[in-house]
Amino acid sequence: NAGVMQNPRHLVRRRGQEARLRCSPMKGHSHVYWYRQLPEEGLKFMVYLQKENIIDESGMPKERFSAEFPKEGPSILRIQQVVRGDSAAYFCASSNGNTGELFFGEGSRLTVL
Amino acid sequence: AQRVTQPEKLLSVFKGAPVELKCNYSYSGSPELFWYVQYSRQRLQLLLRHISRESIKGFTADLNKGETSFHLKKPFAQEEDSAMYYCALEGGSARQLTFGSGTQLTVLP
Repeated sequence: NAGVMQNPRHLVRRRGQEARLRCSPMKGHSHVYWYRQLPEEGLKFMVYLQKENIIDESGMPKERFSAEFPKEGPSILRIQQVVRGDSAAYFCASSNGNTGELFFGEGSRLTVL
Repeated sequence: AQRVTQPEKLLSVFKGAPVELKCNYSYSGSPELFWYVQYSRQRLQLLLRHISRESIKGFTADLNKGETSFHLKKPFAQEEDSAMYYCALEGGSARQLTFGSGTQLTVLP
């Protein structure tokens, strides 16, 4: 089991461009979570998804950010018209919904120039 | 609203000394609490959870509801314990974790 896979590991974008971050959960997991870590800060919850459903998006900025977890394929976190403040590490985690334990990916580091 | 506070960003102890990483939480319901650890160049992983009442790698953590704390303790620190430690709280039905800002533990030889 390869664990939670995130790509790209590093992404550089200019202001105004779009960033797409992908997350493949562990095999058998249907619950996906996205967290953001700003420099010098802890992990901040963004969104919780199950297949084809957004369960909790209370941590998502109201504009420019969206997430999906389609029936087939990875979960995608999409940031439109990126700004410098979006520069951060974005972590994905998955679970089977039962144990309460989250399994994390290695993160995607977004740098906005 | 739920909140997790880890007051120490950095903590250094000598090998063999006791270590305590502090965690306080704020939550109106009955929380589930966890400690996650991130070793250098590795992904974040679960260390222990309070409902298991187990000791992992010599670490223990007791939930103190009166003081709303869940401090992580180890009687004799080892160099391989050097890592970033995050306290986390799971509350409500959404099963999302609220993390503290983390404590970087360095165990000196």
